Amino acid sequence: ETGVTQSPTHLIKTRGQQVTLRCSSQSGHNTVSWYQQALGQGPQFIFQYYREEENGRGNFPPRFSGLQFPNYSSELNVNALELDDSALYLCASSLRLADTEAFFGQGTRLTVV
Amino acid sequence: GQNIDQPTEMTATEGAIVQINCTYQTSGFNGLFWYQQHAGEAPTFLSYNVLDGLEEKGRFSSFLSRSKGYSYLLLKELQMKDSASYLCAVPLRSFNKFYFGSGTKLNVKP
Repeated sequence: ETGVTQSPTHLIKTRGQQVTLRCSSQSGHNTVSWYQQALGQGPQFIFQYYREEENGRGNFPPRFSGLQFPNYSSELNVNALELDDSALYLCASSLRLADTEAFFGQGTRLTVV
Repeated sequence: GQNIDQPTEMTATEGAIVQINCTYQTSGFNGLFWYQQHAGEAPTFLSYNVLDGLEEKGRFSSFLSRSKGYSYLLLKELQMKDSASYLCAVPLRSFNKFYFGSGTKLNVKP
């Protein structure tokens, strides 16, 4: 158990719909990153939030957006879902921006049909 | 840009030793990480190397050669529970922004 929880654990959506995934960081962790992991691949960095501000973004289109709240919990929103968005979405929190260790949640398995 | 290469899959026997290699290219180096991921579970941190040499942590050791862009993870006294994917990763400019390799799936057989 890493203390990072994600919800829901599984989700099925239809192409074109919108989805919101949630992440509750470990207590006091002010930095959270989101990753997309396709089957058989390593996680790909989507973006990072630090103290409620976006702090870097990977190679993902603008329809992937996020929020971080004052309690440091976070959301990932994906609009206009495509079949290729089917993946495991992971969030990872760290206590401080410069910390080397990140703690991953168990992920949300999103299936787009 | 970044690039990481690691073998897709390996098989080893319980009780044996296995070495999982990782070669990387990265613009700017802030260390190299190894994560373990069991099927359907979160990746968990195994090791972080920023200086050349071997870091030992129980049954697991990790080695880094910065000049060669090379790392390996050494697992000793393999157990069935070590069957998992092992991910090699480098930070993208800062921490918790990782560029991951595709992972090496390790199958441990009796």
